Amino acid sequence: QSVLTQPPSVSGAPGQRVTISCTGSSSNIGADYDVHWYQQLPGTAPKLLIYANTNRPSGVPDRFSGSKSGTSASLAITGLQTEDEADYYCQSYDTSLSGSVFGGGTKLTVL
Amino acid sequence: QVQLVQSGADVKKPGASVKISCKASGYKFTSYRMHWVRQAPGQGLEWMGTINPSGGSTNYAQKFQGRVTMTSDTSTNTVYMEVSSLISEDTAVYYCARRGDLNWFDPWGQGFMVTVSS
Repeated sequence: QSVLTQPPSVSGAPGQRVTISCTGSSSNIGADYDVHWYQQLPGTAPKLLIYANTNRPSGVPDRFSGSKSGTSASLAITGLQTEDEADYYCQSYDTSLSGSVFGGGTKLTVL
Repeated sequence: QVQLVQSGADVKKPGASVKISCKASGYKFTSYRMHWVRQAPGQGLEWMGTINPSGGSTNYAQKFQGRVTMTSDTSTNTVYMEVSSLISEDTAVYYCARRGDLNWFDPWGQGFMVTVSS
């Protein structure tokens, strides 16, 4: 049971928009800790996709965007492409646990 | 460019220990904390702890306290993590990742596969 809750899977057709939610609590996202998102392609290490809720590292397409409100955060992907098929994880800090926490991960399927 | 290099894989018997290395390059080693994260086969990411290479202070996830030891060697820009009393459930890929300014993880090492099997 992960501290941050994500849907196990989402899917969409090429060109469509999908969102992935990340729900936390008052001891992590709700305590104003930043949320970061990672993309993990099959067989590879995770890669930073969104940092500090809304920011994209250099090289990440603007099709990827992040938002945060209250005890939740979301990752949106527009103009879906087949190469977006991957697992996506959210991450934050939890003050009760005094450490970093991850969501359980969401598998994106591009139909 | 910033790079974290982890090499190889290992097979251990239950009860044994494993020590994993992560060599950093491309930045000032002592200016950034390093995280360790593991991923069991087909499972999600699990944060294990972090070390400050400057001074060696550590913060372990409660689950791993007493069984994990993180150290750093500033002469070789390498951090290490030793996991003791291995059980089959410790079979996983172990990643190191540099801590960003607001606690993001970037970049990541390529991972080190540990298999625990009798």
